[in-house]
Amino acid sequence: DAGVIQSPRHEVTEMGQEVTLRCKPISGHNSLFWYRQTMMRGLELLIYFNNNVPIDDSGMPEDRFSAKMPNASFSTLKIQPSEPRDSAVYFCASRTPMGKTQYFGPGTRLLVL
Amino acid sequence: GENVEQHPSTLSVQEGDSAVIKCTYSDSASNYFPWYKQELGKRPQLIIDIRSNVGEKKDQRIAVTLNKTAKHFSLHITETQPEDSAVYFCAAAYNTNAGKSTFGDGTTLTVKP
Repeated sequence: DAGVIQSPRHEVTEMGQEVTLRCKPISGHNSLFWYRQTMMRGLELLIYFNNNVPIDDSGMPEDRFSAKMPNASFSTLKIQPSEPRDSAVYFCASRTPMGKTQYFGPGTRLLVL
Repeated sequence: GENVEQHPSTLSVQEGDSAVIKCTYSDSASNYFPWYKQELGKRPQLIIDIRSNVGEKKDQRIAVTLNKTAKHFSLHITETQPEDSAVYFCAAAYNTNAGKSTFGDGTTLTVKP
């Protein structure tokens, strides 16, 4: 199993540009989580899906952030327009239907200039 | 919602000594408590977990204890080694398929050779 796959691994963009982060969960996992990690705020849950349905998006910082999960094997997190304060590492994690353990992807390091 | 507090935020020990990290949680409905280790530049990875029907669990040099009455749980690392140096996160989760984990702010452990 390849584990959770995220792309891109690194992204450098200019303020105002649209950024799309991608995640492929582990096959068979039905829950997917998007996290943001910064030195100042630690590990923050942005949104999570269960069976492709968004369950809790209370962590999404503002309307510039949106997430979709069109099918069981793909999710996107979009920031439009991006701002320098969005610079962080964004992790995707997935979990099995009956399990509790979340398996994290390698993360996407985003730098907004 | 659930609130998880983790202490200390930084911990420095001499190689061979023990390290203890403590977490408290607020929601008595939480019944799954994982611990993640995150090395510099890497993803968080599960190292041990405990469910609320168990008071203690061991895996080689690491152990976790849970006090449901006091709503706190702890990670114990014995015979620490320099490769144990990392950020450790505790989390608390509900026992439902759609549940999310709430993470502590992390403890930076440094093991000095």
